[in-house]
Amino acid sequence: EDKVVQSPLSLVVHEGDTVTLNCSYEVTNFRSLLWYKQEKKAPTFLFMLTSSGIEKKSGRLSSILDKKELSSILNITATQTGDSAIYLCAVIPYTGTASKLTFGTGTRLQVTL
Amino acid sequence: DTAVSQTPKYLVTQMGNDKSIKCEQNLGHDTMYWYKQDSKKFLKIMFSYNNKELIINETVPNRFSPKSPDKAHLNLHINSLELGDSAVYFCASSPDRDRANYGYTFGSGTRLTVV
Repeated sequence: EDKVVQSPLSLVVHEGDTVTLNCSYEVTNFRSLLWYKQEKKAPTFLFMLTSSGIEKKSGRLSSILDKKELSSILNITATQTGDSAIYLCAVIPYTGTASKLTFGTGTRLQVTL
Repeated sequence: DTAVSQTPKYLVTQMGNDKSIKCEQNLGHDTMYWYKQDSKKFLKIMFSYNNKELIINETVPNRFSPKSPDKAHLNLHINSLELGDSAVYFCASSPDRDRANYGYTFGSGTRLTVV
């Protein structure tokens, strides 16, 4: 069965700090890894990573995939209180149940003033 | 304007009742899903339909039955509700089963509380 593990489970930082969230996975026929941000409601899409070593960036957020280590990191620089949320990592396989997302338990990030 | 909409947003009901949650998407996607998020915020897939055909049916009790009248709608019916069914249920859609990693979109969730 596909498995995704995220660390840390929770994190409290001060505004302006830089954080790194980790995601490791075991999946048969890996296709992509996705990062989501969940505040009060629906998870919202951040990044999709398919190729190893290629960094994706969006403002202060960036992410990279390491297929050799079966892992990904999500970096947030100069954190703001609005970054407080649960960050979810999910993997999606290629064939069979290609549409199924397997999620990790998430990292709860709290950014304080 | 909402891409994936679920109703109701909140549902409080007694044990033993039967209830339904409705989901509609206006994205023209072929594939729709139901996910359950428990109190520890763990999201897990329950069902998936592709063009009205059931393609994913994870190990969930028979009391849960999805119904897809057309590819834009996927409803979830739950019989004989139990306390452990309390959770947030998310509907989602994707372009199709092979391009699911492009444009996987979630609804805003239905918080079900069984008392």
